[in-house]
Amino acid sequence: EDKVVQSPLSLVVHEGDTVTLNCSYEVTNFRSLLWYKQEKKAPTFLFMLTSSGIEKKSGRLSSILDKKELSSILNITATQTGDSAIYLCAGFTSGTYKYIFGTGTRLKVLA
Amino acid sequence: DVKVTQSSRYLVKRTGEKVFLECVQDMDHENMFWYRQDPGLGLRLIYFSYDVKMKEKGDIPEGYSVSREKKERFSLILESASTNQTSMYLCASSGLADSYEQYFGPGTRLTVT
Repeated sequence: EDKVVQSPLSLVVHEGDTVTLNCSYEVTNFRSLLWYKQEKKAPTFLFMLTSSGIEKKSGRLSSILDKKELSSILNITATQTGDSAIYLCAGFTSGTYKYIFGTGTRLKVLA
Repeated sequence: DVKVTQSSRYLVKRTGEKVFLECVQDMDHENMFWYRQDPGLGLRLIYFSYDVKMKEKGDIPEGYSVSREKKERFSLILESASTNQTSMYLCASSGLADSYEQYFGPGTRLTVT
């Protein structure tokens, strides 16, 4: 059965800290991995990773995929209180065009 | 910019009522999805559609049905609402033109009393 596991489940840090969120996947016909940020509303798209070892960056956020280890990490540097959210990752399978979601990492950044 | 819209942000219905949740996307995406999200359970796929008039069951289809008569519109139907269907419902779409990046609508918080 396809599954995506995220760790840690929750994390509390102080502003300025750097955090690393982990996502591991077992997805049949894996095509890509997606990261989302969810505050008190619908998830907003952050990154889609298709190729192993190529880092994607957007401001203080970056992410990389390791197809050998079947995993991905999302890094946030110099965290701010506005980074407080649930971060979701999802594996996309080209066999069925479905997205398999993890249960998310809840990040809280304290001022 | 991908736009996925949902007909209601908040909805309160009574047990046994028939409920329609509408979703519209304006990016000509082939694939559309309905999820529900509950605390501690994450996002669970109810139904998805990869083409007009096509539908596939997700992980939790019981108690739900869907309709996709036009490419841009995907409707979720609760035939007879029950209290355990109180949840946040999220619609999403994806397509080849956007490399299958999946985008979400704002969500509908449904309460069944």
